[in-house]
Amino acid sequence: AQKVTQAQTEISVVEKEDVTLDCVYETRDTTYYLFWYKQPPSGELVFLIRRNSFDEQNEISGRYSWNFQKSTSSFNFTITASQVVDSAVYFCALSEVDSWGKLQFGAGTQVVVTP
Amino acid sequence: GAVVSQHPSRVICKSGTSVKIECRSLDFQATTMFWYRQFPKQSLMLMATSNEGSKATYEQGVEKDKFLINHASLTLSTLTVTSAHPEDSSFYICSVFGGRTGELFFGEGSRLTVL
Repeated sequence: AQKVTQAQTEISVVEKEDVTLDCVYETRDTTYYLFWYKQPPSGELVFLIRRNSFDEQNEISGRYSWNFQKSTSSFNFTITASQVVDSAVYFCALSEVDSWGKLQFGAGTQVVVTP
Repeated sequence: GAVVSQHPSRVICKSGTSVKIECRSLDFQATTMFWYRQFPKQSLMLMATSNEGSKATYEQGVEKDKFLINHASLTLSTLTVTSAHPEDSSFYICSVFGGRTGELFFGEGSRLTVL
């Protein structure tokens, strides 16, 4: 069963618009970690955030913000005032405590930002 | 600077040949490394867990005789794709679990094209 669902395959926005990427996860563990990675066309994975299951505080880092809601098993990611350089595939991932280090990735969301 | 280095970044080979990909942990000793595979426009899927000094653990559906993993030292894991075929063409990326903070670090990835 898919444990991380990113229902949005592709999102296209015009520069300066905000874009929110959805991530819904499924786990029976009470301790787990959630991640977001950016994958530009070059292929390397760029780490954006790691959040453990006990920390439900929302986080803001520059133009990026994350909304973690355990009640709905969601860990959504918002890019504010998008820029062309934000064009990439974004992956949400889950690591459960009994298999720490093994990431289960969502299908990814392609973000296309046009000038 | 990079914490994990993969080599080669790109490789093209003929069908039937074997290809070795290296994953090096540059900053710390890593007893555990992970290998992922990403087909074009798809997500990353965990292939195997590489354990220093012992046999690798393969995920379901991954042929251990085709994807040979050797983790002979605390800083190097190698993935050998034996008798490669066009369907093995993919992006292979390793991750290292370790360091003082128990962080996860990804290599830059290796793009294999089998002709």
